[in-house]
Amino acid sequence: ETGVTQTPRHLVMGMTNKKSLKCEQHLGHNAMYWYKQSAKKPLELMFVYNFKEQTENNSVPSRFSPECPNSSHLFLHLHTLQPEDSALYLCASSQEGSGGVDTQYFGPGTRLTVL
Amino acid sequence: GQNIDQPTEMTATEGAIVQINCTYQTSGFNGLFWYQQHAGEAPTFLSYNVLDGLEEKGRFSSFLSRSKGYSYLLLKELQMKDSASYLCAVRDGDYKLSFGAGTTVTVRA
Repeated sequence: ETGVTQTPRHLVMGMTNKKSLKCEQHLGHNAMYWYKQSAKKPLELMFVYNFKEQTENNSVPSRFSPECPNSSHLFLHLHTLQPEDSALYLCASSQEGSGGVDTQYFGPGTRLTVL
Repeated sequence: GQNIDQPTEMTATEGAIVQINCTYQTSGFNGLFWYQQHAGEAPTFLSYNVLDGLEEKGRFSSFLSRSKGYSYLLLKELQMKDSASYLCAVRDGDYKLSFGAGTTVTVRA
């Protein structure tokens, strides 16, 4: 079973649309993350949730709205996006505070194109 | 801010060895990770270093020098399937990972 799943895998939307990205982790982790990956650029951390509480918001525009209803699910709600928001959006999860390595495990990503 | 540098591209021959360097300047240090990412797929965890020295895992090894802000990933006995992007990431706090832009390795027959 894949540890972290994301849907949809591909999404094309207009600038006036509203859509949501979904992430689910099956690893029993307590932290979840959204990253943006643009071509030739480092992964950019967008949001962090720990035990369902948002602990990080890296100055992300309000047209991106995260939601974490429980420790296994994470959503990214999108509205009135811009063409420069086209990128690969990656979800990750980790077990924080375990005393171990706390490795982040990634989902396959959603390839978003904004027209 | 965080600054993590790695080469953009490297090319090597099947069966050869390639070393990918990563230098970092971060506000804190709590470990360094290497990930492999094939085109269109998720980054997958390769290795973790938090103490100085070499960590070996089969054909892949990773080295860390904290005093120099330097790490490398060594790929031995290269195979065609090793063609991918390799991401260096530094953990600088409780949860945060800061990533380099990635090194695309192309393995030629």
